[in-house]
Amino acid sequence: EAQVTQNPRYLITVTGKKLTVTCSQNMNHEYMSWYRQDPGLGLRQIYYSMNVEVTDKGDVPEGYKVSRKEKRNFPLILESPSPNQTSLYFCASSFNHRAAPHGYTFGSGTRLTVV
Amino acid sequence: SQQGEEDPQALSIQEGENATMNCSYKTSINNLQWYRQNSGRGLVHLILIRSNEREKHSGRLRVTLDTSKKSSSLLITASRAADTASYFCATASISGGGADGLTFGKGTHLIIQP
Repeated sequence: EAQVTQNPRYLITVTGKKLTVTCSQNMNHEYMSWYRQDPGLGLRQIYYSMNVEVTDKGDVPEGYKVSRKEKRNFPLILESPSPNQTSLYFCASSFNHRAAPHGYTFGSGTRLTVV
Repeated sequence: SQQGEEDPQALSIQEGENATMNCSYKTSINNLQWYRQNSGRGLVHLILIRSNEREKHSGRLRVTLDTSKKSSSLLITASRAADTASYFCATASISGGGADGLTFGKGTHLIIQP
């Protein structure tokens, strides 16, 4: 089954404790992206990757890191999480940056709480 | 940067009625897409319309695009309880090569009353 797999689904952590949210896709997509979703703010892009070893900042990159060492994986790293990073996170992938013709495929989401 | 703005923010209708949601955007686009999100779940792609297209259909969905007004509408006909969800428009910009992918609006929350 074609899918984007995110782990974990839920995570509660403490301020300052480094964490990684994994994202893996099995569709050979070149383009991958991370979004966070907050009430009243919609989806905001954190980082994106056009291909292996090519990553760039989105609209809200502060406090996050990513890497794209393999085509299928695009982990999101929070080096020192803070409470304002409490959010619902989504990984998405597509054949190209214009998400044509089939759109993005989204993961199921990671609900992160930083206390 | 927020590109799309959906209208209304929330919509409640009776089962069987048609639901119409609108999206306005600011910059020139390559395509515009609509997604559905059930509560807290991942977004699901519904339909894509390219900038040179004016209307597109998929099952009970009808999407229109007016690039002169920078607006789009999504019509869901003969609504069902299972259509209850949030609906987002997303645009693929042509500015800057569009490398940053899709920009999403804040969504319309649709409730179908049985």
